[in-house]
Amino acid sequence: QSALTQPASVSGSPGQSITISCTGISSDVGSYVLVSWYQQHPGKAPKLMIYAVTERPSGVSNRFSGSKSGNTASLTISGLQAEDEADYYCCSYAGSSTLVFGGGTKLTVL
Amino acid sequence: EVQLVESGGGLVQPGRSLRLSCTTSGLTFGDYAMSWVRQAPGKGLEWVGFFRSKFYGGTTEYAASVKGRITISRDDSKSIAYLQMNSLKTEDTGVYYCTAMQTRYSSGWGYFDYWGQGTLVSVSS
Repeated sequence: QSALTQPASVSGSPGQSITISCTGISSDVGSYVLVSWYQQHPGKAPKLMIYAVTERPSGVSNRFSGSKSGNTASLTISGLQAEDEADYYCCSYAGSSTLVFGGGTKLTVL
Repeated sequence: EVQLVESGGGLVQPGRSLRLSCTTSGLTFGDYAMSWVRQAPGKGLEWVGFFRSKFYGGTTEYAASVKGRITISRDDSKSIAYLQMNSLKTEDTGVYYCTAMQTRYSSGWGYFDYWGQGTLVSVSS
């Protein structure tokens, strides 16, 4: 199972919005609602930010939102803040009882 | 407060075995599937495997890259999950995270709701 495809890096200025894409194939992202996003600050454990494509866990800012179209899931962060600077990973169920992560995207807040 | 604490990592020679432990508190352990995710140095996340909660069958699933070499187990009476790794390879080097997954689907799957701080496994001669 190949990793999902994410851009290596994205950047934005404080207050702006950015979107990180996560492209899979019809047998993973395209077929299942089990898509999630994780934020990881340097040296820290990842944190669940979005699950079931669009849902936010309790305590996660509503500046974070998720969507999906076809084989591509997306994470949008609005009103960028310095604390959002981190690595972001998507994850999808890939059938046959397996999960696959994206390669990760480094977000830089300029 | 939910806490997951991994232990058992360290330096090990290729071909040897290692068992990691994940001690949890603050959650109803038996209600959660337990999963392991690893991260090679400077690389991305990789799902390793998981153990469904007893209610959803108490069965395991493993990534193809480690299948046959690893075993995940759990002791619900002690709220501890384990990752037994055999025939270790240099490419198994990385930080291993224990995660708790609240089951959201009848298949027993969920999301990585809670994470430990990770334990470093270094495989080298």
